[in-house]
Amino acid sequence: SYELTQPPSVSVSPGQAASITCSGDKLGDTYAYWYQQKPGQSPVLVIYQDKKRPSGIPERFSGSNSGNTATLTISGTQAMDEADYYCQAWDSTTVVFGGGTSLTVL
Amino acid sequence: EVQLVESGGGLVQPGGSLRLSCVASGFTFSYYWMHWVRQAPGKGLVWVSRINSDGSTTTYADSVKGRFTISRDTAKNTLYLQMNSLRAEDTAVYYCARSQPSDGMDVWGQGTTVSVSS
Repeated sequence: SYELTQPPSVSVSPGQAASITCSGDKLGDTYAYWYQQKPGQSPVLVIYQDKKRPSGIPERFSGSNSGNTATLTISGTQAMDEADYYCQAWDSTTVVFGGGTSLTVL
Repeated sequence: EVQLVESGGGLVQPGGSLRLSCVASGFTFSYYWMHWVRQAPGKGLVWVSRINSDGSTTTYADSVKGRFTISRDTAKNTLYLQMNSLRAEDTAVYYCARSQPSDGMDVWGQGTTVSVSS
């Protein structure tokens, strides 16, 4: 079965850029999606179709996807961005999530 | 307001059954694919099942295939997940979410908790 691999944790200083990677075989040949989940809350879609932002998502969130790696970048990271982030892709007719990355802003 | 509201979770013994519901409001339910995604305590998101907009096509994660059934009732704007032969490893918060092909899951419910234990 298809697998997406994320680093368990990433740390960033406030105001700096944070990058979270998601690796999967030929991931760049399909769309990648990213979700943010804060403690006790439901997930929120922050990037779809590799690099598009849904309405209401700040411009500091951006995405890319090429080769075997998709990347979520948060520029000018703020304390409110501290959360778990999950990548997602389609594997034929099924959906696959990455294991999630805990982003710490310190 | 666009909203998804899940219900039907609870405590059930191993081998038991449960039916989850997800009521949609604020949007045209019949236009969207719908998903169930679960999250075990302290763990990540795991996709469970998907149904297309007219209910004609369903897909399942291998871990629930043959035990869970997804369905929808457009007249009631409701998504269902019938869960049979439940196991301890099915314990999780279950979320419903909507999507359109290639657009990602852009609306999620608040989740309903399923606990499988004797």
